[in-house]
Formats: sequence, C-alpha cells, structure tokens
Amino acid sequence: IVLTQSPGTLSLSPGDRVTLSCRASQSVSTNYLAWYQQRPGQPPRLLIYGASSRATGIPDRFSGSGSGTDFTLTITRLEPEDLGVYYCQQYGTSPSSFGQGTKLEIK
Amino acid sequence: QVQLQESGPGLVKPSETLSLTCTVSGGSLSLYYWTWIRQPAGKRLEWIGRVYPSNPSNLWHYNPSLKSRVSMSLDTSKNQFSLNLTSLTAADTAVYYCAREDSYGHGGFYDYWGQGALVTVSS
Repeated sequence: IVLTQSPGTLSLSPGDRVTLSCRASQSVSTNYLAWYQQRPGQPPRLLIYGASSRATGIPDRFSGSGSGTDFTLTITRLEPEDLGVYYCQQYGTSPSSFGQGTKLEIK
Repeated sequence: QVQLQESGPGLVKPSETLSLTCTVSGGSLSLYYWTWIRQPAGKRLEWIGRVYPSNPSNLWHYNPSLKSRVSMSLDTSKNQFSLNLTSLTAADTAVYYCAREDSYGHGGFYDYWGQGALVTVSS
C-alpha cells in the first residue's frame, strides 16, 4: 500500500492549529494506521495508533481521525517542540509501509 | 522502560555483508515482534523485517523487496536480535533502526525505537 502525505512542508506559528493528511492507495485494513513525529537527529516517536488512539504520554493536542483511504492528524495549540517531520504508517497489510512525511516548521 | 540500542560498523564496502545487532534492555524479547527499519537520507522509512521469539514455527518475516538478501537472528540469552544484509550497494546507505512492534496480525506499530545507526556503503 502506497501512502501519500500532504502538504510536503508547513510553516506555522505557535498557537496555530494544523491538519496533516495521509491518503492510501487502497483501503487500510481495520484502520490500522499510525502517526509518528521525528525531530531532527531523533528516531520517530509514536503519536497515534489505530487511526485515533493516542500513544502513552502524548498530549491531547494531538488527535487522529479517518478511515478507509483518508486519514488526518490534527495538532492544536502548536508549540515550538512540535517541529519535525510527521509520518503515517499502515500496518493492516504486509509489508507495512510509511508515507513520505510532512515537514512542520514553527516560525 | 524498554530501551533499544543498535551496534555495528558505520562503513561497509559494496558487495559485502552488513551485520547489525540490537540490544534490548528493560524488558524481555518474549511476547513482542522485534523489527528492523531503515531510512535513507531524505527518503521515507522502509520496513526490513521482523522476528517473533515466541513462535518458533513462524519466526521471521521479511520485506519481499529485500527478502533475497536479508536474514535475522536471535540471542535470547543476551536479549539481542540481529540483522544481516548481503550484497550491499550504495542504495543500502541509510540510518538503520531497531524497534519493538506492537503487532496486530500482519503488522503493527512501533512504540519503542533505538537511536539509529548510520550505515554508509562505500569503497
């Protein structure tokens, strides 16, 4: 399954709200979709799994939604530490696959 | 707290074999899948393969795109799992991550990651 994320890059200010998109080339089985944040020089950090469940320790500013082929990650009240590249990943069909990422810059 | 740490050479010659080891601390290898993922510079993450210590009859799964060159192994006594990738080319240059997979059938999401090991394939 090929995952396509949009937009490629975003530049926003602290306090803003942002919505990131992930579109799958075919339906994601059982909405098995995860989101990760990768800060520069760091490994990815799990944010969301099962399309809408927050991982342990992730603040409620982060929320995921969607089903089938269209999924979104929403971040409210942006903070400077939210900068990085955000990836979606599907794990409903083997092999698991990742999107190409959306880069989020904080002004 | 589960922690993972990759170890291995940073520079490997073309046509040679890459060997990386992941050491897991703070938890047992049992009951989870353990995975290798790589990330070429500026490109998307790519799942390489996974190993499941608790099912000897269904131990390893590999990405079909790499299957002919990949093998994984386990050393439960040392809480380690390893990756071998043969016939290297420049296209295999990447940061290699080991990760724990919380599995749901054919795959899962990755809740713990190592810091990553940069591997460069060059003569």
